[in-house]
Amino acid sequence: GEDVEQSLFLSVREGDSSVINCTYTDSSSTYLYWYKQEPGAGLQLLTYIFSNMDMKQDQRLTVLLNKKDKHLSLRIADTQTGDSAIYFCAESRDSGGGADGLTFGKGTHLIIQP
Amino acid sequence: DAMVIQNPRYQVTQFGKPVTLSCSQTLNHNVMYWYQQKSSQAPKLLFHYYDKDFNNEADTPDNFQSRRPNTSFCFLDIRSPGLGDAAMYLCATSRDRGGLQKLFFGSGTQLSVL
Repeated sequence: GEDVEQSLFLSVREGDSSVINCTYTDSSSTYLYWYKQEPGAGLQLLTYIFSNMDMKQDQRLTVLLNKKDKHLSLRIADTQTGDSAIYFCAESRDSGGGADGLTFGKGTHLIIQP
Repeated sequence: DAMVIQNPRYQVTQFGKPVTLSCSQTLNHNVMYWYQQKSSQAPKLLFHYYDKDFNNEADTPDNFQSRRPNTSFCFLDIRSPGLGDAAMYLCATSRDRGGLQKLFFGSGTQLSVL
């Protein structure tokens, strides 16, 4: 079965690093994704990582993947007020069955303290 | 700019009164998805079209139907809305199926059922 788990809230001070964690169950997922949802908007792709990679860095974003533990994390360096949003972890459903679409977690609300 | 557009932004309907939500895309993507998102829950895939091929999720109620008359448009029909169908409905597209699936989302339609 497919299930993606993440904590619902994370509060950080402006300027600190934010680390959002996620666990997933489908070990055959080829790609794992992070999406961002701002108030009143749809989901926007932030970054993704191929399953044979351990780390991917893109400017302030660092994705870490521990495939053995099925654990994915997103680190946002120097967190700004504009980073306040809901962050969704997602896994692809292309586990050999040719399924399309992504399975999402419930999302982590990132709250920035001044 | 190429995009995914959902209309209307807010939709209010009465219990049991059929309602249609619409989605259009200028990306010329092959795949179109409908997700249901309730507060503090993961977006849930209802169904998707790969070109004209309709793919229903096993747990999507029969009350939900979809139409894709052409590449650009996709509709979500709720035949007899219940109070539990109040949610944000998100339309998304991807270029193709399998592998790396970058989903592009519309801003969503917030459905209220009175």
